[in-house]
Amino acid sequence: DTEVTQTPKHLVMGMTNKKSLKCEQHMGHRAMYWYKQKAKKPPELMFVYSYEKLSINESVPSRFSPECPNSSLLNLHLHALQPEDSALYLCASSQDRGLNSPLHFGNGTRLTVT
Amino acid sequence: EDKVVQSPLSLVVHEGDTVTLNCSYEVTNFRSLLWYKQEKKAPTFLFMLTSSGIEKKSGRLSSILDKKELFSILNITATQTGDSAVYLCAVRAPINTGTASKLTFGTGTRLQVTL
Repeated sequence: DTEVTQTPKHLVMGMTNKKSLKCEQHMGHRAMYWYKQKAKKPPELMFVYSYEKLSINESVPSRFSPECPNSSLLNLHLHALQPEDSALYLCASSQDRGLNSPLHFGNGTRLTVT
Repeated sequence: EDKVVQSPLSLVVHEGDTVTLNCSYEVTNFRSLLWYKQEKKAPTFLFMLTSSGIEKKSGRLSSILDKKELFSILNITATQTGDSAVYLCAVRAPINTGTASKLTFGTGTRLQVTL
């Protein structure tokens, strides 16, 4: 088990559904991340929040909408997804901007879009 | 664009063998290189390297960084079946605004240790 908790573990949704992925950490980390990982590929960065402000958006389509309600929580709101968005979505956190500290990953949410 | 290349892509060894995994990179404003082990879910942190020539060691695993030649190696001695996993190399660099950093991953090396 990791210190970064993601829910749900699995999610199946239709292309017209709206759902949210949740991530929580209580390590006092001030940077949080969303990564997307397709099968047999490395994780790809989607968003970075630093001190609860969005710092990086890697040209992610607007059907993915991140939210950081406070320093411990990170959400990813999903709407009108496509089947090709099916993947493992990983949340991670690090101290401050994390230049001198590693990212700690959650176990991910395995998303299937039908 | 930042680039991280790992080799080999996959490797099958017998239990007890020693393996060396390679990672080379081209990154603007390099700050650190990290190794992760990924089995079925979360990548788990192994090492973070910031200085050249200083070996980091944890049990049977060790790693070293060469900032002049822009590469790192991860060694695993006396491999066990529990070492079977994908080993990911990632490089850390700040973004232009300085408010955050990016971690760019290589494609990984898939290691299988057989009895």
